[in-house]
Amino acid sequence: GAVVSQHPSWVICKSGTSVKIECRSLDFQATTMFWYRQFPKQSLMLMATSNEGSKATYEQGVEKDKFLINHASLTLSTLTVTSAHPEDSSFYICSALPGDTEAFFGQGTRLTVV
Amino acid sequence: EDQVTQSPEALRLQEGESSSLNCSYTVSGLRGLFWYRQDPGKGPEFLFTLYSAGEEKEKERLKATLTKKESFLHITAPKPEDSATYLCAVRPYSSASKIIFGSGTRLSIRP
Repeated sequence: GAVVSQHPSWVICKSGTSVKIECRSLDFQATTMFWYRQFPKQSLMLMATSNEGSKATYEQGVEKDKFLINHASLTLSTLTVTSAHPEDSSFYICSALPGDTEAFFGQGTRLTVV
Repeated sequence: EDQVTQSPEALRLQEGESSSLNCSYTVSGLRGLFWYRQDPGKGPEFLFTLYSAGEEKEKERLKATLTKKESFLHITAPKPEDSATYLCAVRPYSSASKIIFGSGTRLSIRP
């Protein structure tokens, strides 16, 4: 199956700093990538949909100035959490859509803001 | 409105005890229905795609089936390593890149 690599798998940062998470499709091109946030024992919460070369579409309630998404190429999307605070601590997951089929997920990133 | 509902929310089985997980969906034209497995602290792992009613897919102890209103994930003689959260998702024709997830079923298999 298709492989999506997400990096880092975990990160600890100080409050007020920014953190960048990368999502790469290793063996396919993805015109569309998704970013999710997941709280313990809850399902995936879609944050935004990003299309290569255009601005991301954010879900209602997600601050686009806080969660910056860049989809600069067909194999790379990044999520930057700006001025992180403890309430931003969570599990962030990306997925990529090769085409008219299923999406494939990265391994997830555990963000802890202290 | 496009919607996916999974039941039960949680299921505890004895090793070897077969059962089924349900995914009911409402969508304006089904492009595809997907099943994923998610282990704690990891991203979802793709299992199956089903496209049309009557279709079935199998992988080891898992078998997914599809009707016009729901999908079932049948687990035959499960083992403790099958313990995970199973997610169902649909992709409607109405939106090319939209994928709607259910809330998942947490499956626990006791040895």
